[in-house]
Amino acid sequence: DTEVTQTPKHLVMGMTNKKSLKCEQHMGHRAMYWYKQKAKKPPELMFVYSYEKLSINESVPSRFSPECPNSSLLNLHLHALQPEDSALYLCASSQAGTRGGRGVDTQYFGPGTRLTVL
Amino acid sequence: AQTVTQSQPEMSVQEAETVTLSCTYDTSESDYYLFWYKQPPSRQMILVIRQEAYKQQNATENRFSVNFQKAAKSFSLKISDSQLGDAAMYFCAYRRGRNAGGTSYGKLTFGQGTILTVHP
Repeated sequence: DTEVTQTPKHLVMGMTNKKSLKCEQHMGHRAMYWYKQKAKKPPELMFVYSYEKLSINESVPSRFSPECPNSSLLNLHLHALQPEDSALYLCASSQAGTRGGRGVDTQYFGPGTRLTVL
Repeated sequence: AQTVTQSQPEMSVQEAETVTLSCTYDTSESDYYLFWYKQPPSRQMILVIRQEAYKQQNATENRFSVNFQKAAKSFSLKISDSQLGDAAMYFCAYRRGRNAGGTSYGKLTFGQGTILTVHP
């Protein structure tokens, strides 16, 4: 089973709204990722959580706030977004093992949330 | 820093024919992984195939195979017997290996993508 689920599928929000995106996986993966993707462009990494701790923040504006309540869940809290934040938001997960180990750490992606900011 | 280049913004193929998508990358590391992801109009990123740099044998997955040329830093994807469902944007991606100083959670570096159209 390589399923990552994301809710909602679509979200329309105003610039003053607060909303959250949710991502869930039950593959026992210990690394989870948020990406932002504009149309016809590659995904851009936003955040990485490893063992429920924030490991990478790619200089993302504070209006995006990630949260990892447990090893299966990843949230992205949105507040005071701008129209240019409209995009597809992808969640991914991968096994995180010990350093130096062989084996491919493959990221599996969810279907994404299509966000529109008015 | 690593870079990934896909020089073909768009490609087309007739159904049942074979098509090859190109990918080159630049790195000074010897331990890394390479991936091809497919993103159909539904926009779900789907793993197509992966290759470990330390393996000389080219990876294959059913109709999909790669031509991995480590010295030339080339990683092309061959799709045989193309089907209508293969129509998508294809991304090549690079990840540092753990033994190259990478962490256990890998940051992917993506190419710009190639849009593949399949004609019936």
